[in-house]
Amino acid sequence: ELKVEQNPLFLSMQEGKNYTIYCNYSTTSDRLYWYRQDPGKSLESLFVLLSNGAVKQEGRLMASLDTKARLSTLHITAAVHDLSATYFCAVDIGGGYKLSFGAGTTVTVRA
Amino acid sequence: GAGVSQSPRYKVTKRGQDVTLRCDPISSHATLYWYQQALGQGPEFLTYFNYEAQPDKSGLPSDRFSAERPEGSISTLTIQRTEQRDSAMYRCASSLGLAGATTQYFGPGTRLLVL
Repeated sequence: ELKVEQNPLFLSMQEGKNYTIYCNYSTTSDRLYWYRQDPGKSLESLFVLLSNGAVKQEGRLMASLDTKARLSTLHITAAVHDLSATYFCAVDIGGGYKLSFGAGTTVTVRA
Repeated sequence: GAGVSQSPRYKVTKRGQDVTLRCDPISSHATLYWYQQALGQGPEFLTYFNYEAQPDKSGLPSDRFSAERPEGSISTLTIQRTEQRDSAMYRCASSLGLAGATTQYFGPGTRLLVL
């Protein structure tokens, strides 16, 4: 059975500190996506990682993919309040059209 | 349009009734996807379309669920004889190219409550 596991599921961050969210998956895949969801809103694409060793950065967020370890990380540098949201990783399990999502990591950034 | 739109945004129905949800993808997007998202969970794949073709409907929970996209643009998801366990957020997404490594853009969703 395919599993996409994110941890932690809940993360309370202190402003200015660094944190990492992990996404482990149990099947072979070389494509992984990160999405952000604000409360009551839809999912917004953050990163598309298309190969082993891929690294993408946008502002305070950096995502990487290790397909051999079946692991992706989302690193947050110097957390700020507007990063509070739920972050989902999604593994491509169907040739580019079928995504399997993790349960999400709910991030709260406090002063 | 500027983004993926869905209607209605909220739907309350009684058990046993049929409901139809609508998705209007980003114009010119070839591929359209339907997901079901339970509270506190990530979206789960239901089905997808390349234009009007529906290559994979393996994620549909039962034969009460069906989807169509007859002209390769707007899509509908129909749930017949609704059950309480069908209560969830139903999200539509679209992507530019035929299914491949392209970003899926999600709509706001339709929250369905079956009483």
